[in-house]
Amino acid sequence: DQQVKQNSPSLSVQEGRISILNCDYTNSMFDYFLWYKKYPAEGPTFLISISSIKDKNEDGRFTVFLNKSAKHLSLHIVPSQPGDSAVYFCAASVKEYGNKLVFGAGTILRVKS
Amino acid sequence: DSGVTQTPKHLITATGQRVTLRCSPRSGDLSVYWYQQSLDQGLQFLIQYYNGEERAKGNILERFSAQQFPDLHSELNLSSLELGDSALYFCASSRDNINQPQHFGDGTRLSIL
Repeated sequence: DQQVKQNSPSLSVQEGRISILNCDYTNSMFDYFLWYKKYPAEGPTFLISISSIKDKNEDGRFTVFLNKSAKHLSLHIVPSQPGDSAVYFCAASVKEYGNKLVFGAGTILRVKS
Repeated sequence: DSGVTQTPKHLITATGQRVTLRCSPRSGDLSVYWYQQSLDQGLQFLIQYYNGEERAKGNILERFSAQQFPDLHSELNLSSLELGDSALYFCASSRDNINQPQHFGDGTRLSIL
């Protein structure tokens, strides 16, 4: 039962343009969502999060949008830089179940210079 | 550097053996989480400890066990190892128990021969 889905295995974007990574979820009880970035041979690095009471959160070049009715969230990176090339994971949790994260399968982002 | 330390980085052992993976959380974090990343399963939650007590369990095998010590470091014990246990094992920590970003270590790569 894949509760968090990242349907695009990979995405290629030109440097300076916007990268949009998408994530869908099925469990309506999820109330906290996060994005992580992962480089090879390293652990996931936390990027940005959003609570289900909000629909947008910004941190520098990164913005996360949450559409609860569509059970969809997205991560926008503007402008994209070559150093952003990594695997991006979407994750979600339910407060009642503690803080355990359910992860999507990841999307490989390649930013071309 | 996330501040979460995992040792060892690599572990090679044989089927039937037992290993212990160690994790030191970020300073001040009370919660420790263990995740398994295998090729076909992605990042899967195993178990969570909060201030020394077990708080949540995922799909952790009975052959696996964990504990969190008074100094808040944690150990994951894997016994009667099978070929399918080969994976990356990540530890993460967070300040407390609810809706907090988790910060990951760089993982222990376990190879079963």
